[in-house]
Amino acid sequence: QVQLVESGGDLVKPGGSLRLSCAVSGFTFTDYYMSWMRQAPGKPLEWVSYISYDATSTNYAESVRGRFTISSDSARNSVFLQMNSLTVEDTAVYYCARIGEVDYFYIDVWGKGTTVTVSS
Amino acid sequence: TVMTQSPGTLSLSPGERATLSCWASQSVHNDLAWYQQKPGQPPRLLIYGASNRASGIPARFSASGFGTHFTLTISGLQSEDFAIYYCQQYNYWPFGFGQGTKVDLK
Repeated sequence: QVQLVESGGDLVKPGGSLRLSCAVSGFTFTDYYMSWMRQAPGKPLEWVSYISYDATSTNYAESVRGRFTISSDSARNSVFLQMNSLTVEDTAVYYCARIGEVDYFYIDVWGKGTTVTVSS
Repeated sequence: TVMTQSPGTLSLSPGERATLSCWASQSVHNDLAWYQQKPGQPPRLLIYGASNRASGIPARFSASGFGTHFTLTISGLQSEDFAIYYCQQYNYWPFGFGQGTKVDLK
């Protein structure tokens, strides 16, 4: 059964850092690109970042570029999102998500999400 | 690329047909997906490639369009279909989502 399980969400002060993890199972990790999405309360979805199956290619939304870093560890079947210099605008549910096909960036599997709250 | 959905809210009764629209500010060809999201849940993929149903999606969900205008149709609303629907383009980075259409019970 394909599964994505996020962890690491927490309450953090503005300017702080947090590292999210996503453990995947049920499929061959190195066959897929992976991504992080987020959804602020009552807002639409926002694509935060993605990483290629071999971790050689990444991309970021302008709102997080230079502050967030996506990485992966194929030995641990895991994807990570290091978030630095957090602001209140980063408050959201963060979803780990699998990209359906190489070069076709729709999301076919979603995790349940982990909540990040940035507040003083 | 800005994605715009209409209407913002669609109030319908079970059994009725729902027609949701999504516009792109520039052509995204057929690189368009639709998702359904219920409160407290992650989104679920319904449609990819503008018109291809994802695995396990009932045939009452259909979609069409190319370029800048896309449509999702739900023929014969079931109680479990009342939710928010998002379109998403994946032709240009950043791969943006529309603001959503809420289908609620009339």
